[in-house]
Amino acid sequence: DARVTQTPRDKVTEMGQEVTMRCQPILGHNTVFWYRQTMMQGLELLAYFRNRAPLDDSGMPKDRFSAEMPDATLATLKIQPSEPRDSAVYFCASGLDGTLYGYTFGSGTRLTVV
Amino acid sequence: EDQVTQSPEALRLQEGESSSLNCSYTVSGLRGLFWYRQDPGKGPEFLFTLYSAGEEKEKERLKATLTKKESFLHITAPKPEDSATYLCAVQARGGSTLGRLYFGRGTQLTVWP
Repeated sequence: DARVTQTPRDKVTEMGQEVTMRCQPILGHNTVFWYRQTMMQGLELLAYFRNRAPLDDSGMPKDRFSAEMPDATLATLKIQPSEPRDSAVYFCASGLDGTLYGYTFGSGTRLTVV
Repeated sequence: EDQVTQSPEALRLQEGESSSLNCSYTVSGLRGLFWYRQDPGKGPEFLFTLYSAGEEKEKERLKATLTKKESFLHITAPKPEDSATYLCAVQARGGSTLGRLYFGRGTQLTVWP
């Protein structure tokens, strides 16, 4: 089965450090979402791309978060500088826009900022 | 503002006891409504997409239905392996929210033997 691959699986970092999370979408998918999941807020949309172009990143704190798709096989989410309140599970999802098959999620990156 | 509300937040069922989960939504033009299942420590797993009022989809013990304001996920004769959090998401058709996929907070289902 095709999978969305996220790395790293777990990340513990100190406050103020830069964190980069990576996502390899399923080959051929043209839409990529980044979500953050916490117990308090549930799944929050951070950003999404269609055909590698950013369509919406209004859910991201712009001063510290950035999302890019340098090519069709890689999406990145960076946090600089990281803060304890950024601790969460970050999910990437990909899909073909407009299909019946929904969007496929990766296993997530669990980020802990101490 | 587009919004998705799921109820109940948590549901405990005995094995074989059928029930329904609710997802109510407000969106400026529904493009699609999605149901996902999420197990602890994993990403959400896609179950169904519904596009128009009156549509129904089935998969094993699950059936999803859609009206203009809400969707139901019916679970018939559940088993312990159906225990998970069930998430509902909506995608808007156009305007400033085109393509955004908004999730509800989920219903945590526990099925005990």
